[in-house]
Amino acid sequence: DQQVKQNSPSLSVQEGRISILNCDYTNSMFDYFLWYKKYPAEGPTFLISISSIKDKNEDGRFTVFLNKSAKHLSLHIVPSQPGDSAVYFCAAMGAQKLVFGQGTRLTINP
Amino acid sequence: NAGVTQTPKFRVLKTGQSMTLLCAQDMNHEYMYWYRQDPGMGLRLIHYSVGEGTTAKGEVPDGYNVSRLKKQNFLLGLESAAPSQTSVYFCASSDPGGQVGQPQHFGDGTRLSIL
Repeated sequence: DQQVKQNSPSLSVQEGRISILNCDYTNSMFDYFLWYKKYPAEGPTFLISISSIKDKNEDGRFTVFLNKSAKHLSLHIVPSQPGDSAVYFCAAMGAQKLVFGQGTRLTINP
Repeated sequence: NAGVTQTPKFRVLKTGQSMTLLCAQDMNHEYMYWYRQDPGMGLRLIHYSVGEGTTAKGEVPDGYNVSRLKKQNFLLGLESAAPSQTSVYFCASSDPGGQVGQPQHFGDGTRLSIL
């Protein structure tokens, strides 16, 4: 039973436009939500997080939105750049343990 | 600053063989984790440790054992490898969450194939 779901395996966006990656979760007890970015043959790297008591967190080109009533979060990247092409994992933290989604492969086209 | 280092990077085993994957971190983190990544399934937690000398089971612990004899090292063992354990294994470390939820720092992974 998948507690964190990323329903889009892939997403293609034109350079300069907005990329929106989505994530749904089922457990209302999660404390924090995080986004990780992963390049091939490397480990995931932390991108941005949001506490369950907030609804928005912004860091440069990256903004994460949390809708607790819908159990949904999204990552907005604007403007999208070629270096943003990677696999993005949504993760939820509870009791110091992370539960990951399946990942979304983002491709930024020139 | 190396961060989290995993050894080896690649390994091919035959069914029934044993091996140990080593994870070392130089950030003085209390918590360490082992994950496996399989296609279409994201990362799944195998075992984790909240401090030297402690270990606990994660989501998919069967067929694996771990040890945390030193704070900076976390070992993952496969006693009798099976083809279902073919995967990419990631180690991570972090400090306790506190007020902001500390993110985990990952190594670059070990690609393990069981024939």
